[in-house]
Amino acid sequence: NAGVTQTPKFRILKIGQSMTLQCAQDMNHNYMYWYRQDPGMGLKLIYYSVGAGITDKGEVPNGYNVSRSTTEDFPLRLELAAPSQTSVYFCASTTPGGKGQVIRAFFGQGTRLTVV
Amino acid sequence: ILNVEQSPQSLHVQEGDSTNFTCSFPSSNFYALHWYRWETAKSPEALFVMTLNGDEKKKGRISATLNTKEGYSYLYIKGSQPEDSATYLCAFIGAGNNRKLIWGLGTSLAVNP
Repeated sequence: NAGVTQTPKFRILKIGQSMTLQCAQDMNHNYMYWYRQDPGMGLKLIYYSVGAGITDKGEVPNGYNVSRSTTEDFPLRLELAAPSQTSVYFCASTTPGGKGQVIRAFFGQGTRLTVV
Repeated sequence: ILNVEQSPQSLHVQEGDSTNFTCSFPSSNFYALHWYRWETAKSPEALFVMTLNGDEKKKGRISATLNTKEGYSYLYIKGSQPEDSATYLCAFIGAGNNRKLIWGLGTSLAVNP
């Protein structure tokens, strides 16, 4: 298993440009998440998905969009990049858990995005 | 609003010192508590997954305890080494909470040689 694969690792965008951060997992996890991490701010949830075709907003969804057409892929779209979106982005997936089962989270390697 | 708090926010210790941090979380509807180690420029790495009140977990010099009734978990590092320098995050999962991990802001540990 490759786990959670996130691309690209680094990107510089100009204000107003668009881009898609890719996230894929091969563990058949239904639950997937996008986080951003700003210095001193911990992890903030942008969007999450509980399965193919289902997405929901997290704490900081403004300026982002997601889709979940397959179980494996959960891309994050920035339509009009703004300097406030300069951050490190992490994609994650979790095992389903359920009665008596442990939930485990797996993270991608992160994308360092700079908007100038 | 579910709140997970970690203290202290940052910590500087000397090599060989033992240290501990706290994670506070809601004491109702508990499902699981996770501890992660997050080194700069890397993704968070799971340390412990704790599910039962009274759980004690250990991995090398690092251990953790869990009290779900009062809503706290302690992470201990015995004999800190420079390679222990990282941010230590805890995440709470509530029962029936759509499996969302509610994250603390982390404790940043710096171990000076």
